[in-house]
Amino acid sequence: GEDVEQSLFLSVREGDSSVINCTYTDSSSTYLYWYKQEPGAGLQLLTYIFSNMDMKQDQRLTVLLNKKDKHLSLRIADTQTGDSAIYFCAEIDLGGSYIPTFGRGTSLIVHP
Amino acid sequence: GAGVSQSPSNKVTEKGKDVELRCDPISGHTALYWYRQSLGQGLEFLIYFQGNSAPDKSGLPSDRFSAERTGGSVSTLTIQRTQQEDSAVYLCASSRDSSSYNEQFFGPGTRLTVL
Repeated sequence: GEDVEQSLFLSVREGDSSVINCTYTDSSSTYLYWYKQEPGAGLQLLTYIFSNMDMKQDQRLTVLLNKKDKHLSLRIADTQTGDSAIYFCAEIDLGGSYIPTFGRGTSLIVHP
Repeated sequence: GAGVSQSPSNKVTEKGKDVELRCDPISGHTALYWYRQSLGQGLEFLIYFQGNSAPDKSGLPSDRFSAERTGGSVSTLTIQRTQQEDSAVYLCASSRDSSSYNEQFFGPGTRLTVL
């Protein structure tokens, strides 16, 4: 089955860039997602990318996809304290069920 | 507009009791998912409803867990004879359908504590 791996913690200084990494195992066509979870709240979709794309940019967010290495990253430019949250990588295998597989989440801590 | 709502927000129960958790999806969303989030863990898929199709129950951890979705809208997750290891945040999500894009909208979750 699919597996999604992420590092558990990342600490950055306010104003720096944050890069959160994710690896996945599925090799077929897939959608890959980044969700954000703030304390006490559910997950909120930040951005997504289809597996035929290499990059997607949306304001301060840049998603890079390396299909060969099955590596996905989320870069947050000019990180703010409000970006402190847990970030989940997820994928859906379009050749299988429409049930996404989530990583364990990366806790991003932004300090002054 | 209204998002996904869940109730109760917190539930404390004694070991061996049954609990019911409720999810109200976004109106018109045909797909509904239940997940469990334990401390330090990712989201564990539990069950998936899509329209009138038979639900995908492949993620339910034991036969103590069951879920229903009435009228294609509200869903109830029932845990019978709760155990301490059932303590977790239970998240519900809905999506417009199970199309390829499939953005999921999550509720705030129900935090279940089994004493």
